[in-house]
Amino acid sequence: RKEVEQDPGPFNVPEGATVAFNCTYSNSASQSFFWYRQDCRKEPKLLMSVYSSGNEDGRFTAQLNRASQYISLLIRDSKLSDSATYLCVVPDNYGQNFVFGPGTRLSVLP
Amino acid sequence: DTGVSQDPRHKITKRGQNVTFRCDPISEHNRLYWYRQTLGQGPEFLTYFQNEAQLEKSRLLSDRFSAERPKGSFSTLEIQRTEQGDSAMYLCASRTAAGTGADTFGSGTRLTVV
Repeated sequence: RKEVEQDPGPFNVPEGATVAFNCTYSNSASQSFFWYRQDCRKEPKLLMSVYSSGNEDGRFTAQLNRASQYISLLIRDSKLSDSATYLCVVPDNYGQNFVFGPGTRLSVLP
Repeated sequence: DTGVSQDPRHKITKRGQNVTFRCDPISEHNRLYWYRQTLGQGPEFLTYFQNEAQLEKSRLLSDRFSAERPKGSFSTLEIQRTEQGDSAMYLCASRTAAGTGADTFGSGTRLTVV
C-alpha cells in the first residue's frame, strides 16, 4: 500500500453543494494528520488538523477512520473561494516525517 | 517575523549552471524542511534540519543537491549542474521542535531550467 493516496479529482461541484474527499494511509501507527489547501501557484496552507475524535471548523469537518486507515474532509455549503487543491498529510512509514498526498482538485462552479 | 520567507521567488537558469536558494524560517521553529513540488503532485520531501544538524535526506536528493543550515537559522539549498528535470517549485517549511505540529510553508522558489 502506498504511504498516502488521494482521489485526484477534479471534483466539479455547484455552489452550495456538499463535497467530501478521502485520503488513505499505510502507517497504522500514525497519530497526526492534517489537511492543507493549496491555491494555484501558491504554497500549501494548513486548513485543519485531524483529531481522532473528529473535528469541525465552520463548514469544514475532518474525520479519522483508524480501522480502515483513512481520513476525510467534508466541505458543506461550498463557496467559489473553496476552489483549490486539497492535500492530505500523514506520517511516513517510519513515523519520522510527514508525507503529502498528490492532492484533490476542487472546482466550485457558480 | 511573520512567516517563512524564501528567496528568490523565481529563478531561470541554463542547464549546467549552479543555483542556490535561501530560506528564512519562523524564528522559534527549530525544524526546517525542504520539499520539491512538480505540477499535479504534492510536495515531496527532500531533507530536513533540526537546528543546524541535517537529520535526513531523501533519495530524491542526488549528489548534485546540497543543503546547509550553518547557524541553525536560515538554510540554503544548492543544485549543481542543473538539469531540465530539476525544474520545479522548491518549498521550504518550518515547525517547532516537537515535530508533531504542522509545517508552515514559505512561498517557494520556482526554478526553470532551460
